[in-house]
Amino acid sequence: QSALTQPASVSGSPGQSITISCTGTSSDVGSYNVVSWYQQHPGKAPKLMIYEVSKRPSGVSNRFSGSKSGNTASLTISGLQAEDEADYYCCSYAGSSTLVFGGGTKLTVL
Amino acid sequence: QVQLVQSGADVKKPGASVKVSCKASGYSFTSYYIHWVRQAPGQGLEWMGIINPSGGSTSYAQKFQGRVTMTRDTSTSTVYMDLSSLRSEDTAVYYCARDGGQQLFWFDPWGQGTLVTVSS
Repeated sequence: QSALTQPASVSGSPGQSITISCTGTSSDVGSYNVVSWYQQHPGKAPKLMIYEVSKRPSGVSNRFSGSKSGNTASLTISGLQAEDEADYYCCSYAGSSTLVFGGGTKLTVL
Repeated sequence: QVQLVQSGADVKKPGASVKVSCKASGYSFTSYYIHWVRQAPGQGLEWMGIINPSGGSTSYAQKFQGRVTMTRDTSTSTVYMDLSSLRSEDTAVYYCARDGGQQLFWFDPWGQGTLVTVSS
């Protein structure tokens, strides 16, 4: 499968909101509500932020939200904070017990 | 608490094999599937495959079919990932990650990662 498409970078000022898109196809994002998002700080393991498109694990700030429309999923971070600066990856089920990741987006908090 | 602890960094020569371990604790080992994901230096995440710790069944990404083998030892709550015919492009940090349950296909938590370096 081909990787999902994410913007290479996004940026925003503290307090602002940003959205990261994740575009797939009708064979992955468009067919299954099994999209998850991960935050990764440099040198650290990824951390689950959103699962099943829009569900938030306990302990994750409600500033993080997820949605999906057609073949594109989105992660929105509101009230940007300095500690949100990290890489973000989307991941989708692609059928036949397989998964595909996005290429990753570097978030810079200005 | 739920924890996945991986084996230490390893250096291998091209053509060799590497076996990375992932020891689970803090939950019922056979109740949650385990995934393997890798990340080459400066690159993104790449899903490699999934194993059912209960029955041992596996599913691998097409890219790794024939080169990867995932196994488990229920007596020690440990999952293993064996990658053969190593080449320089396999230099990466390899992560194990617990599935949300029985093939829910999201990962939480992740192991700390194991750096595998392939170099002559």
